[in-house]
Amino acid sequence: DIVMTQSPDSLAVSLGERATIRCKSSQSVLHSSNNKNYLAWYQQRAGQPPNLLIYWASTRESGVPDRFSGSGSGTDFTLTISSLQAEDVALYFCQQYYTPLSYTFGQGTKLEIK
Amino acid sequence: QVQLVQSGAEVKMPGASVKVSCKASRYTFTTYHVNWMRRAPGQGLEWMGWMNPFTGDTGYAQKFQGRVTMTRNTSIATAYMELSSLRSDDTAVYFCARDYDNNGYFDLWGRGTLVTVSS
Repeated sequence: DIVMTQSPDSLAVSLGERATIRCKSSQSVLHSSNNKNYLAWYQQRAGQPPNLLIYWASTRESGVPDRFSGSGSGTDFTLTISSLQAEDVALYFCQQYYTPLSYTFGQGTKLEIK
Repeated sequence: QVQLVQSGAEVKMPGASVKVSCKASRYTFTTYHVNWMRRAPGQGLEWMGWMNPFTGDTGYAQKFQGRVTMTRNTSIATAYMELSSLRSDDTAVYFCARDYDNNGYFDLWGRGTLVTVSS
């Protein structure tokens, strides 16, 4: 299985400041057939189901604020929140969907307000 | 609104089976694959398998092969995940999720069902 490792495990950022979360895969999730990275990011607020933020590593899901952006390719990916809002306090996790029947997730990054 | 509504919490004895339901609301149930994941206490999410509600085709993670069965009832737009031979380390919150593009990422999730395995 592809192992997804996020860093840091937890992060405290001041309101209005930038938050950066990293996700590293144990092997490339870039598919040569279509040049797409099979990587998604989710947000999970307390008591809520996960919410899709980003797919194909950098495509923002409809309705997601543009302060959220995804970047990276191959094995190294980043989720950036450009200006942290109070409602962004949540658990964030990445997922690779490169390998059929063997999707895997990062362990999660807990984002809090400093 | 568009949602997936899961069944309530369960407490099971070791060796028993559990069947969790996931009802689709306000979208065409048979169009999009349904996937199941779980999160054990203090752990990350673990993908268990997928089901095509139109055909009934399924695909399971190797870890769960032989122990998990995913089915559906299209007349009531409901997917089911049954896990057998339960052990204490199966204690987890189980989620169903919709794969909108059938590509492997999930745009709609249920709220989760806590399954506790304890004697």
